[in-house]
Amino acid sequence: ELKVEQNPLFLSMQEGKNYTIYCNYSTTSDRLYWYRQDPGKSLESLFVLLSNGAVKQEGRLMASLDTKARLSTLHITAAVHDLSATYFCASPGVGGGADGLTFGKGTHLIIQP
Amino acid sequence: ETGVTQTPRHLVMGMTNKKSLKCEQHLGHNAMYWYKQSAKKPLELMFVYSLEERVENNSVPSRFSPECPNSSHLFLHLHTLQPEDSALYLCASSQMGDYGYTFGSGTRLTVV
Repeated sequence: ELKVEQNPLFLSMQEGKNYTIYCNYSTTSDRLYWYRQDPGKSLESLFVLLSNGAVKQEGRLMASLDTKARLSTLHITAAVHDLSATYFCASPGVGGGADGLTFGKGTHLIIQP
Repeated sequence: ETGVTQTPRHLVMGMTNKKSLKCEQHLGHNAMYWYKQSAKKPLELMFVYSLEERVENNSVPSRFSPECPNSSHLFLHLHTLQPEDSALYLCASSQMGDYGYTFGSGTRLTVV
């Protein structure tokens, strides 16, 4: 059974600081997804990482994937209040065709002025 | 309309009611999914449909019954639910061979 673990699950930080969210998954996969969810809203796709060593950046967020370590990171640089949300990583596991995603529990991020 | 549309957005139902959730995708995708998100558990995959055939059922109780009449539509039929079934139900779609998943806005279900 595929397991996806995120840490921390809760993070309170100040604006301007840097921090990293970690995502470990238990089954070999060459893909990893990051989503953002605002309260009461659906999931917004942030990054799709498709291979070992993949690194993607969008604004103050940067995601990376190490398939050998089964680890992905989401790094926040110089945080701003607008980044407050819950962040999820997800893995499709092994297989082809239509793969449902297994999600981590999410990291609830609060950025304070 | 574009993307993945879910209706209704909110639903309150009694434990003896029968209701259905609807999902429609306008992306030409050939796979569709139901997920459940509750306060006590992380996002859980419920059902996967590929080319209109169910390919995965993650031990979901029979009071949840999915239906995929064509590649653009997915339903979740609900009957005799329990209060613990109250949750946000999310629909998603994807194209096999592609790597993106698009999620709908969800249906907030409350069982009373």
